[in-house]
Amino acid sequence: GAGVSQSPSNKVTEKGKDVELRCDPISGHTALYWYRQSLGQGLEFLIYFQGNSAPDKSGLPSDRFSAERTGGSVSTLTIQRTQQEDSAVYLCASSRTLLAGRNTGELFFGEGSRLTVL
Amino acid sequence: DAKTTQPPSMDCAEGRAANLPCNHSTISGNEYVYWYRQIHSQGPQYIIHGLKNNETNEMASLIITEDRKSSTLILPHATLRDTAVYYCIARPRAGGTSYGKLTFGQGTILTVHP
Repeated sequence: GAGVSQSPSNKVTEKGKDVELRCDPISGHTALYWYRQSLGQGLEFLIYFQGNSAPDKSGLPSDRFSAERTGGSVSTLTIQRTQQEDSAVYLCASSRTLLAGRNTGELFFGEGSRLTVL
Repeated sequence: DAKTTQPPSMDCAEGRAANLPCNHSTISGNEYVYWYRQIHSQGPQYIIHGLKNNETNEMASLIITEDRKSSTLILPHATLRDTAVYYCIARPRAGGTSYGKLTFGQGTILTVHP
């Protein structure tokens, strides 16, 4: 597609429910990133993928959070047993191939999925 | 990754140059300086990046000091649409496991006024 696509754009859920957020990266981009942004706060790194593998999962807040990527394309961020503090905008970004010795790192961000946990 | 420090807010008159400073005194030799901005309710947008030479593109210019401990993003003719939060990020070269983890600080809120 022309840009990074995220769905749903808005999700309201009840505390304790599971949610899945989807990201479709730009075609041909092998790197994919998840961030979240709470109201009035900066961006918080969650995880990034190079292909289908995730070299860095250090930002996932707890074991309730997981992410996968299949086929080197679409990624899903899953939050189990949601809590009110999970309310935030979840942003996905993609970039071209990460090549050692070459910096091709411009990230293209989607518009985000706004999650509200009641 | 090196920590960056930016002023929390700045003002600029429309049509004037906006000069946004960033301190990255602990930057290492293999880290680039990246700038992104985030306009209200949108995803961040890439502006420019550089290693040690000054860079210019259609959006902005990036001036990096010779010792690489600080840099300045210049918007040559600011418009009202440039009002946004501007983030300065130090990012390792590609190849390491930490490459993908961009650390966004609090950034600088730039307000362009008429």
